[in-house]
Amino acid sequence: EDKVVQSPLSLVVHEGDTVTLNCSYEVTNFRSLLWYKQEKKAPTFLFMLTSSGIEKKSGRLSSILDKKELSSILNITATQTGDSAIYLCAVDVGQGAQKLVFGQGTRLTINP
Amino acid sequence: NAGVMQNPRHLVRRRGQEARLRCSPMKGHSHVYWYRQLPEEGLKFMVYLQKENIIDESGMPKERFSAEFPKEGPSILRIQQVVRGDSAAYFCASSPRGFHEQYFGPGTRLTVT
Repeated sequence: EDKVVQSPLSLVVHEGDTVTLNCSYEVTNFRSLLWYKQEKKAPTFLFMLTSSGIEKKSGRLSSILDKKELSSILNITATQTGDSAIYLCAVDVGQGAQKLVFGQGTRLTINP
Repeated sequence: NAGVMQNPRHLVRRRGQEARLRCSPMKGHSHVYWYRQLPEEGLKFMVYLQKENIIDESGMPKERFSAEFPKEGPSILRIQQVVRGDSAAYFCASSPRGFHEQYFGPGTRLTVT
């Protein structure tokens, strides 16, 4: 069975800290790995990673994929209270159509 | 460009009733996905549709659940004879092509009493 595991499940830090969120996967068919941010409502897309070792960056957020270790990390530097959310990792295991398997999420809380 | 729309946002049904959840994809998107999120769990894939076609329904329970995406109008996820275990948040996502990031709607929170 395809499996995506995120760690930690929950993280509380102070504003200004840097955090690293982890995602590991065991799947039969890997096409890409995606990160989403979920606040109260819809998950919003952050990154899609397909190639190992290439960092994707957007402002204070960055992510990298390691296909050898079957894992990815999401880094957030200089955290702000607005970064508080659940961060979801998903792996596309589709063979034709895209099919996402999600991890259980990391709940990040940033205290002022 | 409006995002993915879902309605209703909250739905309360008694056991045995039917629930109908609607999803309007983003403009220009012809691929629709449905996911279920149980409390404290991740999103679980249910079904993937294109206009008038179900492409992959491997995540759908075999009974009581059905989905459609007609030529005109929104995609509908239908749950017949709801039970308490159906209580969850149901998210719809859309994409312009098959291998492309998905954009999610705000979800419908279904409560079965």
